[in-house]
Amino acid sequence: LAKTTQPISMDSYEGQEVNITCSHNNIATNDYITWYQQFPSQGPRFIIQGYKTKVTNEVASLFIPADRKSSTLSLPRVSLSDTAVYYCLVGVNAGGTSYGKLTFGQGTILTVHP
Amino acid sequence: DAEITQSPRHKITETGRQVTLACHQTWNHNNMFWYRQDLGHGLRLIHYSYGVQDTNKGEVSDGYSVSRSNTEDLPLTLESAASSQTSVYFCASSEGTFSEQFFGPGTRLTVL
Repeated sequence: LAKTTQPISMDSYEGQEVNITCSHNNIATNDYITWYQQFPSQGPRFIIQGYKTKVTNEVASLFIPADRKSSTLSLPRVSLSDTAVYYCLVGVNAGGTSYGKLTFGQGTILTVHP
Repeated sequence: DAEITQSPRHKITETGRQVTLACHQTWNHNNMFWYRQDLGHGLRLIHYSYGVQDTNKGEVSDGYSVSRSNTEDLPLTLESAASSQTSVYFCASSEGTFSEQFFGPGTRLTVL
């Protein structure tokens, strides 16, 4: 399984752009990169997923360089409600019965200050 | 609206007792997962299922079992609860191979 490394914590202020980078040096060819958000006392919630280059949705952007050994989650103009833990995950390559199995690391605790 | 529910939300039990945590989803997803979350470990996969009658072990499966008799439910059983199994348990489901996983609200289990 591809292991991910991300900062343990980050601080930001309301209105700023936040970029959280995740390293996944041994990502496999068919692995996807997925980010989840988790608020206290809740289950994780899907934010965004990508394979290469850039993906954007209504809440975030995901930048993936050509070598795919890292990825950056970008949150534009954060608010206090974006304070949460953010997980970077790399999906197991499809094949046999191992597809879709996600490995969560410890995540990045993002604290947004007024 | 489709959803995924877990019950009970909180449970206190004693060492050695058998405990079953329920997970029910109404999305008709084939894939279902059980995770536990502990401080300092993030979420760790316990068991997962890709369809009825299919179950697979995750990275921390010792002491746990699951069964999948229908699409909607994946109950998690602790055969003989241990204090080390005190944790928050999350159930999740997904539609396809790399589809997003939808998580339930969690069950906080305390084993005394």
